[in-house]
Amino acid sequence: AQSVAQPEDQVNVAEGNPLTVKCTYSVSGNPYLFWYVQYPNRGLQFLLKYITGDNLVKGSYGFEAEFNKSQTSFHLKKPSALVSDSALYFCAVRGVNTDKLIFGTGTRLQVFP
Amino acid sequence: GAVVSQHPSRVICKSGTSVKIECRSLDFQATTMFWYRQFPKQSLMLMATSNEGSKATYEQGVEKDKFLINHASLTLSTLTVTSAHPEDSSFYICSASYGEGYTFGSGTRLTVV
Repeated sequence: AQSVAQPEDQVNVAEGNPLTVKCTYSVSGNPYLFWYVQYPNRGLQFLLKYITGDNLVKGSYGFEAEFNKSQTSFHLKKPSALVSDSALYFCAVRGVNTDKLIFGTGTRLQVFP
Repeated sequence: GAVVSQHPSRVICKSGTSVKIECRSLDFQATTMFWYRQFPKQSLMLMATSNEGSKATYEQGVEKDKFLINHASLTLSTLTVTSAHPEDSSFYICSASYGEGYTFGSGTRLTVV
């Protein structure tokens, strides 16, 4: 069965500092990996995805993520955090032979001025 | 492109009544749509997968008679919460697969009083 783990419930970072939001996955075969952001009482906004190709994926709003097959990780990163980045971030995985997207538990990012 | 419109954004209903939530794909044909439920400060739980013209596939533990899903056209899927009770209060989000990714509705906050 496919699964996603986000080990941190919350990540706090000062504005201007780099941020990392961690994600590890478990899936049979090659995964499709996604990051989404959610603001209060809103749906999910797509940030980036990894399907195949370059392990470093660049996405929206300056975010990027690195696919690491040996560590089964797909951590989300940004070189310089903004207060407006404060939100709930979800990692998700889709395995082979299925179109279901399974989400991690989410990580709340708090960026302090 | 690939916009999903979800309505209503908020609904308050009395216990025992039914509520319908609509999800429309505006600029593409959504063969498959997904319905999620999100509890406060928790992740998205996949409730069911709906395919146009066929019966929805429900996840384990989801009551199909309570959460009726209809996907009668390639642009519209509906979720009807029947005989709603306070424990059904939640945030419901629809999603459609699009190419290799997914697009999400803005969510519906259901409050049953």
